[in-house]
Amino acid sequence: AAGVIQSPRHLIKEKRETATLKCYPIPRHDTVYWYQQGPGQDPQFLISFYEKMQSDKGSIPDRFSAQQFSDYHSELNMSSLELGDSALYFCASSQRTGAGTQYFGPGTRLLVL
Amino acid sequence: AQKITQTQPGMFVQEKEAVTLDCTYDTSDQSYGLFWYKQPSSGEMIFLIYQGSYDEQNATEGRYSLNFQKARKSANLVISASQLGDSAMYFCAMREGRAGTASKLTFGTGTRLQVTL
Repeated sequence: AAGVIQSPRHLIKEKRETATLKCYPIPRHDTVYWYQQGPGQDPQFLISFYEKMQSDKGSIPDRFSAQQFSDYHSELNMSSLELGDSALYFCASSQRTGAGTQYFGPGTRLLVL
Repeated sequence: AQKITQTQPGMFVQEKEAVTLDCTYDTSDQSYGLFWYKQPSSGEMIFLIYQGSYDEQNATEGRYSLNFQKARKSANLVISASQLGDSAMYFCAMREGRAGTASKLTFGTGTRLQVTL
């Protein structure tokens, strides 16, 4: 079965640079979520989109922005990167039917030097 | 207060034995969902099992079952016949609000399970 696709899988950036993470949800899934998982920590919710509209916002820094496009893929844009932004970034998708289970992509591992 | 509490940072279990990973939750919502995810050392987050707050039967998925005790607000994961490949971090997570809403998941701090020969 098709899964959530994230690109790139690994990313190395310098402080103050920008990064763009991409997410392609499972076909026919209408909701996309972004989570950040720091080293040795549990995932923390950043932001979600339903039908291309922002649905909920968590502890997402003002330096980060995200959007969902007409083809349902989503991008997380991160500017003025800081060392503390080094983390595993997950995208997850779900349908608004049934249990609404969130299926996670493989993650993008971001390292800020 | 923590919404999801996993009190076992690490657990060991012998191959072919059963193991229970504890999870307690805190919510004032009547409608919520509880999920367990597995995160191997490779990093991906794998969905294992789901229990809705109104489900009367405990959820089961193959070797995974969820021991749901609503009054005690606990949702423990039981893995039967452990395999070496079960060695991983296990996260309990909660969605507050009814299914069908784009509600975030709140995760516990995880339990690292090591299966030994």
